[in-house]
Amino acid sequence: SAVISQKPSRDICQRGTSLTIQCQVDSQVTMMFWYRQQPGQSLTLIATANQGSEATYESGFVIDKFPISRPNLTFSTLTVSNMSPEDSSIYLCSVDGQGGGYGYTFGSGTRLTVV
Amino acid sequence: QKEVEQNSGPLSVPEGAIASLNCTYSDRGSQSFFWYRQYSGKSPELIMFIYSNGDKEDGRFTAQLNKASQYVSLLIRDSQPSDSATYLCAVLSGGSNYKLTFGKGTLLTVNP
Repeated sequence: SAVISQKPSRDICQRGTSLTIQCQVDSQVTMMFWYRQQPGQSLTLIATANQGSEATYESGFVIDKFPISRPNLTFSTLTVSNMSPEDSSIYLCSVDGQGGGYGYTFGSGTRLTVV
Repeated sequence: QKEVEQNSGPLSVPEGAIASLNCTYSDRGSQSFFWYRQYSGKSPELIMFIYSNGDKEDGRFTAQLNKASQYVSLLIRDSQPSDSATYLCAVLSGGSNYKLTFGKGTLLTVNP
């Protein structure tokens, strides 16, 4: 399965600032997914990022708050903009590394605390 | 809205026992079903997937799927303390978006 490098692993940020999270995959993948996991909760999909097209956002998530880039088939970034304490969460990228829905692999996650 | 439901637990079993984790889903068009294990502070790790009705075994793990009842389960035989984690059920919807919907997870504790 695909190996994903995600960074930073954690950060503490001031409210009103932005943080960009990077996700690098060791193989080319068509779709990359960004999830949020709030404390004690399950994973919520933020958006799907396909190379060469605009990201598709889930209900409740907007591009102005969570802009995503997908410049090639192995890399994506998620920016959390104008942060507030409510954005404190773990952010995870995920890929369908084997194709065809055989299993989605997750990065190690970014633990974000907004103060 | 497509939903995936799990008992939040905690589920506590003694070492060596069988742990049974259950999941129901609302979307009849769902195609694939996954079980992830998540240790505290770590990212989810895929342990099983199943597509067809019936049982699928992998070592100490058995996934069971009943599409008519919209039910999927995970059995862990000979449970070990190292199996203590949150188990997340995830369902892949049909169509072209290949989007996974996760349940809230069941916390399993295996007591030595």
